[in-house]
Amino acid sequence: GQNIDQPTEMTATEGAIVQINCTYQTSGFNGLFWYQQHAGEAPTFLSYNVLDGLEEKGRFSSFLSRSKGYSYLLLKELQMKDSASYLCAVREGYSTLTFGKGTMLLVSP
Amino acid sequence: GAGVSQTPSNKVTEKGKYVELRCDPISGHTALYWYRQSLGQGPEFLIYFQGTGAADDSGLPNDRFFAVRPEGSVSTLKIQRTERGDSAVYLCASSLGEGFPPAKQYFGPGTRLTVT
Repeated sequence: GQNIDQPTEMTATEGAIVQINCTYQTSGFNGLFWYQQHAGEAPTFLSYNVLDGLEEKGRFSSFLSRSKGYSYLLLKELQMKDSASYLCAVREGYSTLTFGKGTMLLVSP
Repeated sequence: GAGVSQTPSNKVTEKGKYVELRCDPISGHTALYWYRQSLGQGPEFLIYFQGTGAADDSGLPNDRFFAVRPEGSVSTLKIQRTERGDSAVYLCASSLGEGFPPAKQYFGPGTRLTVT
């Protein structure tokens, strides 16, 4: 079976840094993905990690520790438009993704 | 180029009716996925196509759900004898296929299905 845990909600202020954690217990592991989803819209790809360590992409970074079953998404210089749900997903085989429930991030002025 | 498109964007149907949801993937993407997302939840995997064949249909909840992709491009998700519990947003995604490194899945805008 699989279990992917993320906080339900987080709040932060504009310009700040926020870290969204994700822990997983899956029968297989072939990569961890982060997606952003604004209300009423499709999920959009942010990043993925296959090997341990930090992947940086502009204001967004993602970290993975396979031995701990742990990842985080780091968002810097928060903007109001970053208010969205952030989905952690694990690829167990070679194709399909198993998603967590998502973390709703609210950025306030 | 065009992204993944899904039609209709909204569908309201009565309990017991049959519905079809359509997905047009990104041109050239061999892999196509169907997910279902309920309010406050992440997308839940339903079925995955590689080309014309269903490579993994383990997520289909029961035999009322069926999907086809006859020419390896457009896919149709079919739901028979709809129930109120089927109400959700049905998301379609496509990617370049299997393998390593993992290909990004690009999602369509979804079809919001409401069963009354």
